[in-house]
Amino acid sequence: ELKVEQNPLFLSMQEGKNYTIYCNYSTTSDRLYWYRQDPGKSLESLFVLLSNGAVKQEGRLMASLDTKARLSTLHITAAVHDLSATYFCAVPRAPGATNKLIFGTGTLLAVQP
Amino acid sequence: GAGVSQSPSNKVTEKGKDVELRCDPISGHTALYWYRQRLGQGLEFLIYFQGNSAPDKSGLPSDRFSAERTGESVSTLTIQRTQQEDSAVYLCASSLELAGKYEQYFGPGTRLTVT
Repeated sequence: ELKVEQNPLFLSMQEGKNYTIYCNYSTTSDRLYWYRQDPGKSLESLFVLLSNGAVKQEGRLMASLDTKARLSTLHITAAVHDLSATYFCAVPRAPGATNKLIFGTGTLLAVQP
Repeated sequence: GAGVSQSPSNKVTEKGKDVELRCDPISGHTALYWYRQRLGQGLEFLIYFQGNSAPDKSGLPSDRFSAERTGESVSTLTIQRTQQEDSAVYLCASSLELAGKYEQYFGPGTRLTVT
């Protein structure tokens, strides 16, 4: 059974600092998704990583995928308060499948001024 | 354009009652998903519709849960004889599911509270 684990589960960081959120998954997958969820809101798509070695950047966030290690990272550069949210990674249940995403438990990021 | 919409946004119901939750996907999206998110937790897959294919119901937690979809449009998730453990946010997502276009777009969710 596919398991998707994120760490840390909670991250409190100061503005201006850098940090990385990790997403490990237990079986082969050819793609990985990162989502952001603000309190009381729905999920917003951040990145879709489609191949080994894929790296995508948007503002202060950069995501990468290593399919051999079954690991994705979401790196935060010079954090600002607006980045405070819960971040989820998600992996399709089977390679090539587009449905039935298995979500990680989420990382609650709190950026302190 | 319009995104995924869901209604109601909030629903409070008494234990034992039936509830219906509605999802309007993005126009033209062939795939539709329902997920459940309990407080402070990640998302659990419930059911998946793709075009006219038989739905994938493998995530439905019990036979009290059912869902329908009319063609490639509106979907309703029905929970019969609600229990307190059904309290959660129910999220709907849709996607185009063409090559390279697998991204799922989520609606705002329906917060269900069973008292």
